[in-house]
Amino acid sequence: DGGITQSPKYLFRKEGQNVTLSCEQNLNHDAMYWYRQDPGQGLRLIYYSQIVNDFQKGDIAEGYSVSREKKESFPLTVTSAQKNPTAFYLCASSATGNPRDYGYTFGSGTRLTVV
Amino acid sequence: RKEVEQDPGPFNVPEGATVAFNCTYSNSASQSFFWYRQDCRKEPKLLMSVYSSGNEDGRFTAQLNRASQYISLLIRDSKLSDSATYLCVVSPFGNEKLTFGTGTRLTIIP
Repeated sequence: DGGITQSPKYLFRKEGQNVTLSCEQNLNHDAMYWYRQDPGQGLRLIYYSQIVNDFQKGDIAEGYSVSREKKESFPLTVTSAQKNPTAFYLCASSATGNPRDYGYTFGSGTRLTVV
Repeated sequence: RKEVEQDPGPFNVPEGATVAFNCTYSNSASQSFFWYRQDCRKEPKLLMSVYSSGNEDGRFTAQLNRASQYISLLIRDSKLSDSATYLCVVSPFGNEKLTFGTGTRLTIIP
């Protein structure tokens, strides 16, 4: 079955470490997105990519980095510069570069905790 | 003013009742609207798109009021399985990114 796979499901990071969250999709979607969700808050956009080898900053890109070397993959690195990285991270994709028509398909998320 | 605003609830509703909640958006040029459902500690899932003429999917009805800039979701004959957080989602014109509301929490009581 087609879908989006995020790994790991749970991730623990020590202060000062960089960690990379994986996001892979086999839906043949062009656009991919990374969101962060904090308790009681809405989803906030970190980065998005509408085509391979191109990506744009979202509303809260500071302390994060991404790459889009393959259509299927859009990994997110949480760097030590991110001051409050504990959150639920969600990866999504859309059928075309325009999610207006089809909405998003989400992965099951990664819960990152700083210890 | 937030781009998308929802009453956070919680709405505690007896099983079988009808419940409705609204969402307001600030950008009058917004073009696309959706309702997503998010279960506790899970990812959001598309519930339904919202069309200008209003649309229905089983027990769920979504409506758009462009003049007042709000969308609504009506759930009839509510089931225990409807307990979730409902996210209002808007796509501004010319902007490929969806903007999510903070969600309305609904609990159906037996």
